[in-house]
Amino acid sequence: EVQLVESGGGLVKPGGSLRLSCAASGFTFSYAWMSWVRQAPGKGLEWLGRIKSKNDGGTIDHAAPVKGRFTFSRDDSKSTLYLQMNSLKTEDTAVYYCYYYYDSSTHNHCDYWGQGSLVTVSS
Amino acid sequence: QAVVTQEPSLTVSPGGTVTLTCGSSTGAVTSGHYPYWFQQKPGQVPRTLIYDTSNKHSWTPARFSGSLLGGKAALTLSGAQPEDEADYYCMLSYSGAGVFGTGTKVTV
Repeated sequence: EVQLVESGGGLVKPGGSLRLSCAASGFTFSYAWMSWVRQAPGKGLEWLGRIKSKNDGGTIDHAAPVKGRFTFSRDDSKSTLYLQMNSLKTEDTAVYYCYYYYDSSTHNHCDYWGQGSLVTVSS
Repeated sequence: QAVVTQEPSLTVSPGGTVTLTCGSSTGAVTSGHYPYWFQQKPGQVPRTLIYDTSNKHSWTPARFSGSLLGGKAALTLSGAQPEDEADYYCMLSYSGAGVFGTGTKVTV
């Protein structure tokens, strides 16, 4: 069974940093294309970025609003995806989801989401 | 960053048909934007209905279909069911960077 378990969320002061983790199981993580998506309370979805599998070059794409503040990475040996968030602002308050949507070994699209991790930026 | 626009809300009668659209501030939407469509119900995580313009997942009900229509991506719901009441988001890719649409609340 595919599982994506997020951790690392919580309350942080403006200007602070936080690292979210997304631990994957039930599939071959090294072949997965993964994304981070967030949703502010009562608002729509916002795409943050994606990281391809290493066999597809490991390309990382960022959304313009978070480029320079948010960093995406993966540790295939630990089957874990990371989102490092720096210089946090109150408007970064949201539920953050990791999302597995493509298997580069089978070339199949899929659709698995983490449970969401709440990040609250407040003084 | 591009702005992706959707209708804020649409109402459809049970059994009726409704088309949601997804437009781009940069011009016509093409297959090269790899349009995705997501459904989100209150308190739930999103679920992908359509990827790459018109491809369905195994769980996507046959009543949903994706297309390109008049320079926009479109999601058509034919034979709406009460359980289709939800928020719907499109997402377009701009050279690898995704941008979600503003979302459409569909009331059945």
